[in-house]
Amino acid sequence: SQQGEEDPQALSIQEGENATMNCSYKTSINNLQWYRQNSGRGLVHLILIRSNEREKHSGRLRVTLDTSKKSSSLLITASRAADTASYFCATDGWAGGFKTIFGAGTRLFVKA
Amino acid sequence: DTGVSQDPRHKITKRGQNVTFRCDPISEHNRLYWYRQTLGQGPEFLTYFQNEAQLEKSRLLSDRFSAERPKGSFSTLEIQRTEQGDSAMYLCASRGQNGNTIYFGEGSWLTVV
Repeated sequence: SQQGEEDPQALSIQEGENATMNCSYKTSINNLQWYRQNSGRGLVHLILIRSNEREKHSGRLRVTLDTSKKSSSLLITASRAADTASYFCATDGWAGGFKTIFGAGTRLFVKA
Repeated sequence: DTGVSQDPRHKITKRGQNVTFRCDPISEHNRLYWYRQTLGQGPEFLTYFQNEAQLEKSRLLSDRFSAERPKGSFSTLEIQRTEQGDSAMYLCASRGQNGNTIYFGEGSWLTVV
């Protein structure tokens, strides 16, 4: 089974609003990453947060990590129509070496 | 363009035929991954190479699937005796020795009819 599970499965918001996506995982991790995928395309790396970090920012992205709850959230502020995509969390487990496991994703739709 | 290229981008094949996909990773990357993705799902891990060594293989990779990376550079994923359930996008990705970021290709779409 997949390591990460995103919530919600789908999210529809108006342009300018904030979008929050959550990810839960099952085992201990080295780091957690978020990726974006436009329809029918490959995945693009957005941001990485290490297991000893609690929050990280990159532009309009804010990621938090709570290792005690085995969860992470991705916040996209001031969303734009171009943010419409699927967003996936991915984890590298301690025991899994460099095997990276992805969740099922959150489909974000930003209405102009 | 991430620098990871996959070929072919699209393949339509009849059930029972064999297909092979090729992946050329970023040249200095020693780690290479194959994933499979179906509509509405996340990428499912298939296999992972470090240089030419195949270090991990998912249970999803049945006997009909084989992957190679003979010289530690490009990789091939072969599916023998294709079934309709094999229809998916096959994603290749690579990663550097000390890097955490995985760089994906644009994927190879397989349709088995």
